[in-house]
Amino acid sequence: QVQLQESGPGLVKPSGTLSLTCAVSGVSISSGNWWSWVRQPPGKGLEWIGEIHHSGRTNYNPSLKSRVTISIDKSENQFSLKVNSVTAADTAVYYCARAVRYYLDYWGQGTLVTVSS
Amino acid sequence: EIVLTQSPGTLSLSPGERATLSCGASQSVSSSYLAWYQQKPGQAPRLLIYGASSRATGIPDRFSGSGSGTDFTLTISRLEPEDFAVYYCQQYGTSFPVYTFGQGTKLDIK
Repeated sequence: QVQLQESGPGLVKPSGTLSLTCAVSGVSISSGNWWSWVRQPPGKGLEWIGEIHHSGRTNYNPSLKSRVTISIDKSENQFSLKVNSVTAADTAVYYCARAVRYYLDYWGQGTLVTVSS
Repeated sequence: EIVLTQSPGTLSLSPGERATLSCGASQSVSSSYLAWYQQKPGQAPRLLIYGASSRATGIPDRFSGSGSGTDFTLTISRLEPEDFAVYYCQQYGTSFPVYTFGQGTKLDIK
């Protein structure tokens, strides 16, 4: 059974860096799929942030590209998200998900990150 | 960037009724690239339909998807109490952003 679990600080200061990790179990992260991050501000819809392949190739949402880095750790079977220069607008539930062309079939439970001083 | 517009914003129905949710695209979308998700409060989205009309594993057959081009539909034939949730359509793009979502339709109990 494929499972994904997000972890990281729930509170980040404005202008700081948001850092999250997604631990994958039940499948190798090198299995050929892409691995995505999606976020959802409180009470709002879903926004795709970006994705990474086990080869290290990445794709990012142009609206966030200048502030986002997604990386992969094949030895730990996990991938990570960093968002720089955060503001209150980055407050959201962050989900990691497995991307099977052309949809997202397995999702983590999500983790709320609040940007506040 | 392709924009997905879902209608209605909120749909109020009773258990046992039929629900029809719409997703319109600003440009033509390949049927292979269109998916639907269900999200309940406090939970992650759950994949329902992919390729516009294929049910994901474990999804009851009361859920069906149809459509092509710029107009897609999710139909729930007979609503069960557990079906009241928010539904999102999503398209995969060959240009960026790779995945875009509609704004969602909230299915309420009448």
